Amino acid sequence: DAGVIQSPRHEVTEMGQEVTLRCKPISGHDYLFWYRQTMMRGLELLIYFNNNVPIDDSGMPEDRFSAKMPNASFSTLKIQPSEPRDSAVYFCASSLGGSYNEQFFGPGTRLTVL
Amino acid sequence: RKEVEQDPGPFNVPEGATVAFNCTYSNSASQSFFWYRQDCRKEPKLLMSVYSSGNEDGRFTAQLNRASQYISLLIRDSKLSDSATYLCVVHGGSYQLTFGKGTKLSVIP
Repeated sequence: DAGVIQSPRHEVTEMGQEVTLRCKPISGHDYLFWYRQTMMRGLELLIYFNNNVPIDDSGMPEDRFSAKMPNASFSTLKIQPSEPRDSAVYFCASSLGGSYNEQFFGPGTRLTVL
Repeated sequence: RKEVEQDPGPFNVPEGATVAFNCTYSNSASQSFFWYRQDCRKEPKLLMSVYSSGNEDGRFTAQLNRASQYISLLIRDSKLSDSATYLCVVHGGSYQLTFGKGTKLSVIP
């Protein structure tokens, strides 16, 4: 079975450019989570969706970040404009029935903003 | 106090050794607890859930102490393949998990 799919796996961009990260959750999962991981701050929850509806975006660092889930099989995280401090690994995870249950992580997108 | 705190390590142990990690959490209302494992440059994966009565899965034993608000993970007979970062994870009551920064384990031949 396919796990969580993320693209691109690596992204290098220049400050000020728009970045779009993509995620396909495991089929049938009703929760989707976006995380950011850095050495300094560890793994931080940015936003999560339930049945395609954003539930809590309090972790989104600022207005430059936005996330959408137009359908059950696709989500995007957009950064516009990007800044060097956004450099991190961004993970998407999905679960069935919420975070009381196992979250399955995608391989991550390693973002470098120059 | 940070929400979830772990000793970052690294813990360098020889093969066959027993090693224990501790984790403390600040939210006394936390309901669920987990240990995730993350290999270098890979995604986190669930290792085991932590139950109030303690639980064991092969060489791995997890314990929860609600009064002191800490969780532990014991690994017996360490293998080279156990080398990874171990993340303590706490469910805070909403549909959110809070991750510790992880404890790095290196098992040495």
